[in-house]
Amino acid sequence: GAVVSQHPSRVICKSGTSVKIECRSLDFQATTMFWYRQFPKQSLMLMATSNEGSKATYEQGVEKDKFLINHASLTLSTLTVTSAHPEDSSFYICSAQQGATSNQPQHFGDGTRLSIL
Amino acid sequence: AQSVTQLDSHVSVSEGTPVLLRCNYSSSYSPSLFWYVQHPNKGLQLLLKYTSAATLVKGINGFEAEFKKSETSFHLTKPSAHMSDAAEYFCVVSDPDDYKLSFGAGTTVTVRA
Repeated sequence: GAVVSQHPSRVICKSGTSVKIECRSLDFQATTMFWYRQFPKQSLMLMATSNEGSKATYEQGVEKDKFLINHASLTLSTLTVTSAHPEDSSFYICSAQQGATSNQPQHFGDGTRLSIL
Repeated sequence: AQSVTQLDSHVSVSEGTPVLLRCNYSSSYSPSLFWYVQHPNKGLQLLLKYTSAATLVKGINGFEAEFKKSETSFHLTKPSAHMSDAAEYFCVVSDPDDYKLSFGAGTTVTVRA
């Protein structure tokens, strides 16, 4: 149980393109989903917290107009990297939390490797 | 504020020998603590969690961790390492107010044949 599917797994595209990444909880409803960015050999950096039906909460230093988050249902959140540039190349990982307490673990997708040429 | 410190950036063991990954935490609350494993180019997989029940927590793949409040530690162990255990391991604490996770820097485990 508690499977999170993230798609696509890898994207290579030209500078200036917008890229959408989907995160789905397959067998549970996730009130809250999280988006992370991970640089090589580093830990995960939280970008934003996404709550179903409301605006995402962005961490300090993360451009909300650059990284658009939509959480239209209890099983789907999307991250759109708008007008992507080479510095946006990274590994993006989503997670979904089952339940509404901090002792519930977050379940992670397999990540999306984004490469901007 | 909550934080975790993973005391070893890299651990190398021989196959069949014990593995110990050390983690210390700092928390203003009774913490919820987790260990996750990440294989290359993959997301994070939950190994185990501590949520104020038993202090010795058993997880998947033979891993277990012991919560020691007096030492503010949550070390991860496995009695016998397998080649498939080679990966990155993260100790994580959860904030009870907003559910945000604070990650340790990670420990890279290599397993020698």
